[in-house]
Amino acid sequence: SQKIEQNSEALNIQEGKTATLTCNYTNYSPAYLQWYRQDPGRGPVFLLLIRENEKEKRKERLKVTFDTTLKQSLFHITASQPADSATYLCALPLSGGYNKLIFGAGTRLAVHP
Amino acid sequence: DTAVSQTPKYLVTQMGNDKSIKCEQNLGHDTMYWYKQDSKKFLKIMFSYNNKELIINETVPNRFSPKSPDKAHLNLHINSLELGDSAVYFCASSQGDGVNSPLHFGNGTRLTVT
Repeated sequence: SQKIEQNSEALNIQEGKTATLTCNYTNYSPAYLQWYRQDPGRGPVFLLLIRENEKEKRKERLKVTFDTTLKQSLFHITASQPADSATYLCALPLSGGYNKLIFGAGTRLAVHP
Repeated sequence: DTAVSQTPKYLVTQMGNDKSIKCEQNLGHDTMYWYKQDSKKFLKIMFSYNNKELIINETVPNRFSPKSPDKAHLNLHINSLELGDSAVYFCASSQGDGVNSPLHFGNGTRLTVT
């Protein structure tokens, strides 16, 4: 069956370092992948979308890679700040049209001053 | 202005009751969704409407009934509430038919069934 795996353990890093979060999937061939940020008590907020023919996408301090051979996406935050502390979710569309997104459980990032 | 708004934010009720959650979006989007986030934080799609037409209907008990009076509103009615229905319910919207489009989420309704 189709599966999305994100590191369930929290990632603790020092301010100013680069945070790297991983999203692995199996039994999928998604046309695109999305990353969201979720703060406690709030809904997820869209960050980036990367298509299968794009190897890398950047937005300010964020960078996403998409390796369809490894079935993996990496999400990087450079020069991390305490305000980046949140849970980050990856999402993939199931086939069959429409935006039927399947979400990973998310990885909690804590950036310490 | 809040783009996707849900009411109520918190809902505490007893087993067997019927309750509704309302959602409105002012983004002009054509597609709206209901997602459920359980205690393990997995977000699972329940329903989706495109221009008031039901397009995604996951394996959800028929005690859950979505209703879309117009494309800016998607409500969720739950009959005969059970303990296992306790979760956070998120409404979301996206442009067009949703393919390739990001989702815009509301801030959730935390439902507690006692």
